[in-house]
Amino acid sequence: GAGVSQSPSNKVTEKGKDVELRCDPISGHTALYWYRQSLGQGLEFLIYFQGNSAPDKSGLPSDRFSAERTGGSVSTLTIQRTQQEDSAVYLCASSLDIWGGTEKLFFGSGTQLSVL
Amino acid sequence: AQKVTQAQTEISVVEKEDVTLDCVYETRDTTYYLFWYKQPPSGELVFLIRRNSFDEQNEISGRYSWNFQKSTSSFNFTITASQVVDSAVYFCALSEAGTGFQKLVFGTGTRLLVSP
Repeated sequence: GAGVSQSPSNKVTEKGKDVELRCDPISGHTALYWYRQSLGQGLEFLIYFQGNSAPDKSGLPSDRFSAERTGGSVSTLTIQRTQQEDSAVYLCASSLDIWGGTEKLFFGSGTQLSVL
Repeated sequence: AQKVTQAQTEISVVEKEDVTLDCVYETRDTTYYLFWYKQPPSGELVFLIRRNSFDEQNEISGRYSWNFQKSTSSFNFTITASQVVDSAVYFCALSEAGTGFQKLVFGTGTRLLVSP
C-alpha cells in the first residue's frame, strides 16, 4: 500500500483478555517500529525490528507484551491479559534503512486500544 | 541518557502570527539526530525535518524554519505567518549513536492552535 496500515483502528476489550494489533509497513521498508502514545507517558518506544529480528526489546513494558514480524513485512503486537493501564494509541512506523533512527519514519494512524 | 523537553504544552495564536516551538535535548553522545514531527488531528505523525549533530546550519522550508544551537542544546521550530492548517501537535525527537540510532525519543509535544 501507499502508507503504513494498522488494524484495527479501534479496539475495545475487557480487562484480562488478549489483543492482537496488526501493522502493514510500506512495501520494501526493512525497519519497523512500535510506539505507544498515552496521555500520561507521551510517545514511548516499544520495539524495533530489522527484517524479522528484534535487536531491541527494551521498551516492552512487561512480559505481557510481545511482538513478531514475519516475512520481513507484517508485524503483530500482542498484549496478553490486558490491564486498564494498557489503554493507549499504539503506533507503528516503518523506514527504509537499518539506520532507522537516521531516516525519517513513516507512521500509521494507530490503533486506539481501550481496556474496560 | 536521552531526553527531549518541550516545555510549551499548548500555544494559541491567531492566523498570520509567527510562532516558535521550543525544544531542548539532552544526550551524552556527540553523534545524534534531531527531528520534528507533526501530528494533525488524523493522528498520523508526519516527518518535517531531520538534523544531524554536526550540522548547525539553520534551515528554512517555506514558512517553516529551524534553529539548531548546540551551545544551548536547543532545536527550535518557527512557523511564520501561521495558518489554520498548522493546527496540530508538534513533536521534537532525538536519536543517538549509543542506541544505534534505532530508538527515537520524543518530547511530550506542543499543541498549536491557530484560529482564524
